[in-house]
Amino acid sequence: DGGITQSPKYLFRKEGQNVTLSCEQNLNHDAMYWYRQDPGQGLRLIYYSQIVNDFQKGDIAEGYSVSREKKESFPLTVTSAQKNPTAFYLCASSIDGGNTDTQYFGPGTRLTVL
Amino acid sequence: AQSVTQLGSHVSVSEGALVLLRCNYSSSVPPYLFWYVQYPNQGLQLLLKYTSAATLVKGINGFEAEFKKSETSFHLTKPSAHMSDAAEYFCAVNAGGKLQFGAGTQVVVTP
Repeated sequence: DGGITQSPKYLFRKEGQNVTLSCEQNLNHDAMYWYRQDPGQGLRLIYYSQIVNDFQKGDIAEGYSVSREKKESFPLTVTSAQKNPTAFYLCASSIDGGNTDTQYFGPGTRLTVL
Repeated sequence: AQSVTQLGSHVSVSEGALVLLRCNYSSSVPPYLFWYVQYPNQGLQLLLKYTSAATLVKGINGFEAEFKKSETSFHLTKPSAHMSDAAEYFCAVNAGGKLQFGAGTQVVVTP
């Protein structure tokens, strides 16, 4: 089965801790994305990567970091510098990041800071 | 800059009635537009997309959308609502390879 997996589904973190969210795809897509979703605000782009070993900041990159060492993996680290990290995080991938590309989404990770 | 605006954060529709979700875009170049659906605590699923091939686009689950350049709109419709259509719907525009999403419209279907 081809698709995108995210783990864990639910994540709890104490204030001041870094936490890493996993995203894996077996669709052989070049482009991958991380979004943050808050109620009433739609999805906002955190980081994206169109090729291995390269990535760009999205609209709300502050307090987050990513790596793209393998084509199929794009982990997101939420650092302690992120002031309000409680949110639903969605990972997506597309063939090559082109204008008409369809982005395919994973099931999401809900992060709660205690 | 390209952006989309969705009118109405919540829409309530009776089962069997028309579903109409509004999306207006702002773009200085021909836009590529998408509609996605999200069920509770899940990821987004593509309903349909406009890539300039045809102005009336048919998607999954009986949904369709019409691109109207004169009105800068890409409204989503379904002739007859089903209980399973209860979800949140997002309109998005592709801006240089990145999607800009609207705030979403929550659809409630009443029996």
